[in-house]
Amino acid sequence: LAKTTQPISMDSYEGQEVNITCSHNNIATNDYITWYQQFPSQGPRFIIQGYKTKVTNEVASLFIPADRKSSTLSLPRVSLSDTAVYYCLVGDITRRDDKIIFGKGTRLHILP
Amino acid sequence: GAGVSQSPRYKVTKRGQDVTLRCDPISSHATLYWYQQALGQGPEFLTYFNYEAQPDKSGLPSDRFSAERPEGSISTLTIQRTEQRDSAMYRCASSLGRGSYEQYFGPGTRLTVT
Repeated sequence: LAKTTQPISMDSYEGQEVNITCSHNNIATNDYITWYQQFPSQGPRFIIQGYKTKVTNEVASLFIPADRKSSTLSLPRVSLSDTAVYYCLVGDITRRDDKIIFGKGTRLHILP
Repeated sequence: GAGVSQSPRYKVTKRGQDVTLRCDPISSHATLYWYQQALGQGPEFLTYFNYEAQPDKSGLPSDRFSAERPEGSISTLTIQRTEQRDSAMYRCASSLGRGSYEQYFGPGTRLTVT
């Protein structure tokens, strides 16, 4: 399983764009990058997944450079409700038995 | 069902007692996972089921922990002879089974062992 490194915590202000970068230097050819979001008192929620270049959905964008050794989750115009822990996961999404390691994630705190 | 449900939401038990936690996954989901989450940490894998089969129990902390999914739908996690260190949030998740990275989590059961 590819190991990931992400900042422990980040602060930002309402209305700003927030970028959370995850390093995964030993990512394998078949690995995808997946991000989860966990609000206080709730279970983690899948938000976005990608293999290369850019993926965008209604919640976030995911930027993956050509070497795929890092990825950046971008949250546009954050609000107080985006305060959560964000987890970066890397692994083969076609494998049913791939044990997912969440790690500690990045604790994002949005200030008014 | 519409989402993953877990019961009870909160459980307080005395050290040495047995507890059973229940998970009802999304009805079309073949794969079900159990996690333990300590405060300030990410969920840690305990075990998973593919229908009723349990291919991986490697995350279970000790033989006091066991899980079942006898008919391939509802699952239970049982902790025997509970200890204070078992106090944690226990989370269940399910996925369609085409891969393990898109999981849907339940609200969790907060277990407190006194």
